[in-house]
Amino acid sequence: SQTIHQWPATLVQPVGSPLSLECTVEGTSNPNLYWYRQAAGRGLQLLFYSVGIGQISSEVPQNLSASRPQDRQFILSSKKLLLSDSGFYLCAWSRGGSRISTHYEQYFGPGTRLTVT
Amino acid sequence: AQSVTQLDSHVSVSEGTPVLLRCNYSSSYSPSLFWYVQHPNKGLQLLLKYTSAATLVKGINGFEAEFKKSETSFHLTKPSAHMSDAAEYFCVVSDGNNDMRFGAGTRLTVKP
Repeated sequence: SQTIHQWPATLVQPVGSPLSLECTVEGTSNPNLYWYRQAAGRGLQLLFYSVGIGQISSEVPQNLSASRPQDRQFILSSKKLLLSDSGFYLCAWSRGGSRISTHYEQYFGPGTRLTVT
Repeated sequence: AQSVTQLDSHVSVSEGTPVLLRCNYSSSYSPSLFWYVQHPNKGLQLLLKYTSAATLVKGINGFEAEFKKSETSFHLTKPSAHMSDAAEYFCVVSDGNNDMRFGAGTRLTVKP
């Protein structure tokens, strides 16, 4: 069966510090991968998605970046955090392909709670 | 362009009574529709999905949803609420390409 891991589970970082959140998927190959942010009391905002190694698409301009160094690893980074980066970050995967097909359901990780102070 | 509207930000029911969470959508295509549930500080879990097969979709934990094209709705129902159903619920519409829209969510409270 497939599983998706995220770490850390919680993180408190000062403004201006760097960020690295990691997501890994097990039990599937060539998944499509997604990073979402959920601000307090709000819905989900898609940040990045990837259809393959080194292929990253950004949905929202921001000071965050994403990388996919391996097939089942997806990393969310920032060089300098802002207060507005606080939120709940969710990684998800779906059945893969050369392009995103959002007819496929997405499976979400447990999330990382980021607080920027 | 697509959009999804969850008509209630908060729904409160008593344990053992029916649950109705409302979702309306707008899409130029034949959409796929999903319902996800999120318990506090957890990831989202898929409850059910509609992808142009049967219009009445059964999901996990006794939930079901009916796709009504004429009403552009995909309401989520459950005959009898359980305390463990208390969570945030998200309706999602997808055109199958690169456009997947999440609703703002409905918080379900279940009173004993």
